[in-house]
Amino acid sequence: AQKVTQAQTEISVVEKEDVTLDCVYETRDTTYYLFWYKQPPSGELVFLIRRNSFDEQNEISGRYSWNFQKSTSSFNFTITASQVVDSAVYFCALSEAEGYSTLTFGKGTMLLVSP
Amino acid sequence: KAGVTQTPRYLIKTRGQQVTLSCSPISGHRSVSWYQQTPGQGLQFLFEYFSETQRNKGNFPGRFSGRQFSNSRSEMNVSTLELGDSALYLCASSPGLAYSYNEQFFGPGTRLTVL
Repeated sequence: AQKVTQAQTEISVVEKEDVTLDCVYETRDTTYYLFWYKQPPSGELVFLIRRNSFDEQNEISGRYSWNFQKSTSSFNFTITASQVVDSAVYFCALSEAEGYSTLTFGKGTMLLVSP
Repeated sequence: KAGVTQTPRYLIKTRGQQVTLSCSPISGHRSVSWYQQTPGQGLQFLFEYFSETQRNKGNFPGRFSGRQFSNSRSEMNVSTLELGDSALYLCASSPGLAYSYNEQFFGPGTRLTVL
């Protein structure tokens, strides 16, 4: 069975601090996809990134970066120089390979960025 | 392209009643998935419909059901509502293609409150 663990329930930082959100996953599949979604107070899930299990290259997109390590089954998300607008709940999720859409989500990490 | 739409956005019901929620996927998408989000359980997969057939189901009681129409629009129904059914219900659409990655696009959700 697939499982995603986000051990950090809530993180509070002051603007401009760097923050890392942890994600650990479990799956027996050799091919899978990992995701991060952002959920602002409006409720809609906003897609941030997708990684497949064969692509361990780290990625940077502006102030966002992701570190995928298969050896530790982790897919961590770092926000550099956080801003108040980054305040939201962030979800890590896991999906089986092609043909399926079902996502297994972690419980989410609420990030509060204060001015 | 228009995004995923869900109606109604907010709903208040009383215990024992039933409710029907609607989701219109992105044009051309044939797969619709439903998720329940509660503070205690987080985001949980309910079911997925593809070409009017349920092809995957989460671990929910039979009170939760759904269907998909020939235009890919989907409805989910919850009968004999319980207080614990109060949640944000999210719908996601994807192309649903076999043997390829299927990114999911989420709607704004329907917030159901059961009194």
